[in-house]
Amino acid sequence: ETGVTQTPRHLVMGMTNKKSLKCEQHLGHNAMYWYKQSAKKPLELMFVYSLEERVENNSVPSRFSPECPNSSHLFLHLHTLQPEDSALYLCASSQVMTSGGKADTQYFGPGTRLTVL
Amino acid sequence: AQKITQTQPGMFVQEKEAVTLDCTYDTSDPSYGLFWYKQPSSGEMIFLIYQGSYDQQNATEGRYSLNFQKARKSANLVISASQLGDSAMYFCAMREPLKSAGNNRKLIWGLGTSLAVNP
Repeated sequence: ETGVTQTPRHLVMGMTNKKSLKCEQHLGHNAMYWYKQSAKKPLELMFVYSLEERVENNSVPSRFSPECPNSSHLFLHLHTLQPEDSALYLCASSQVMTSGGKADTQYFGPGTRLTVL
Repeated sequence: AQKITQTQPGMFVQEKEAVTLDCTYDTSDPSYGLFWYKQPSSGEMIFLIYQGSYDQQNATEGRYSLNFQKARKSANLVISASQLGDSAMYFCAMREPLKSAGNNRKLIWGLGTSLAVNP
């Protein structure tokens, strides 16, 4: 596997279900991100993990729970979701550099298309 | 506040022709980075090209080039010799300036432009 992978690619769940999204990066990066993409809205940053420590949590409802067991893996645990949570969930990784530049580019996985019934 | 504006919701181009996708940005910081991504219908966000605010030359990556006009705060993507596989959503994004050492910096995203390449 290369780049950033995400599973599952599609997920349909009821409001009372519990499920998890998985992301794995094979790029040796030190930061991982969860984004939510809804129609007609800019990409929304949900969580950022840098060196396995959560450094960003953009007021995301507690029904979304991230986990980063190591620098290569990132999970998003879902429970009691609402229909408005239906969206494309994208994972990304980057090598965070204090100097910035092109080296700090975020690379994305293919996303999980989530439908909440 | 930082902001990205993409004014073209949809664009059409004939195969083999060039097309320009517009992006304007707003920031008061002198140091920033600008990115373009492509998102096909499959969903993956694919990195295309990067321009740093201090870069002296416009960025180029194969058929992609960036028309960077700093004074006008625009960073338009030019795709030369369009191909059918270029049909996708294109997003412009700006990285926030560095606030402290080791701090992750957010990307601020535009709403995207849908490009359709006609055979």
